[in-house]
Amino acid sequence: GAVVSQHPSWVICKSGTSVKIECRSLDFQATTMFWYRQFPKQSLMLMATSNEGSKATYEQGVEKDKFLINHASLTLSTLTVTSAHPEDSSFYICSASETGREQYFGPGTRLTVT
Amino acid sequence: TQLLEQSPQFLSIQEGENLTVYCNSSSVFSSLQWYRQEPGEGPVLLVTVVTGGEVKKLKRLTFQFGDARKDSSLHITAAQTGDTGLYLCAGIKYGNKLVFGAGTILRVKS
Repeated sequence: GAVVSQHPSWVICKSGTSVKIECRSLDFQATTMFWYRQFPKQSLMLMATSNEGSKATYEQGVEKDKFLINHASLTLSTLTVTSAHPEDSSFYICSASETGREQYFGPGTRLTVT
Repeated sequence: TQLLEQSPQFLSIQEGENLTVYCNSSSVFSSLQWYRQEPGEGPVLLVTVVTGGEVKKLKRLTFQFGDARKDSSLHITAAQTGDTGLYLCAGIKYGNKLVFGAGTILRVKS
C-alpha cells in the first residue's frame, strides 16, 4: 500500500517552454501533497505544500508564478514549470500524505532544460 | 541555514565494516525519520523515531533518538555493498513539514 507515482519519470524540454509533472497517490487519498527539488548529490528542498482544493503554500524563495501547483483531486497534484530555463534542470520529487503524519514519496522526475 | 546537520557528508568503507551517521540540530523535533535514496529514485522511509532515547533496530541498522529529541544516529553493522546509497535524516516540524538534513553518501566497496 501507500504507492505514489510520478509522470513522466524524465523529460527534456527546450528553454522557454513549459512542462507539467504529475503526482498520483494510487491506493490512498492524499489530503496533502508536497513538492521537492533535489540537485545532484544534495538533499531534498521543499518547494511547496498543497492541500486538495486550496492554493498551494510556497516556501520562501520559490516563485509561485514559475512553479504552478494544482491539487485538483485527492489523488492528483501537478507541478508545471513555466518558461523553463536550464537552471530549472533538477530532480523533482513529490510526496503524498493521507493523515498528515506520514509522507510517501514518488520515484521522482528528472527535468533537463536545454 | 541547515536546521539539521548531518555528518559525515561522504563515507567510503569496505564491506564488513561498521559505520555511524549522525544527525544533529539545535531544534527539538516531534519525531525524526531516516530515509535511504538510490540514484534516480525517490527516498524510501527506513524508520521513524518518536520518543526521546528511543532505539529501533532494523536488521543490521540501529537507529537512536537523543533524549532531548534534537539528535539522532544511524549505525550500520557489517555493511554490505547493497547498503550503498544516500542516507537522509528528516525532522518533522509544524504543518507536518519535513526538514531534511544534507545527506550522507555511503559507498560500500567489496
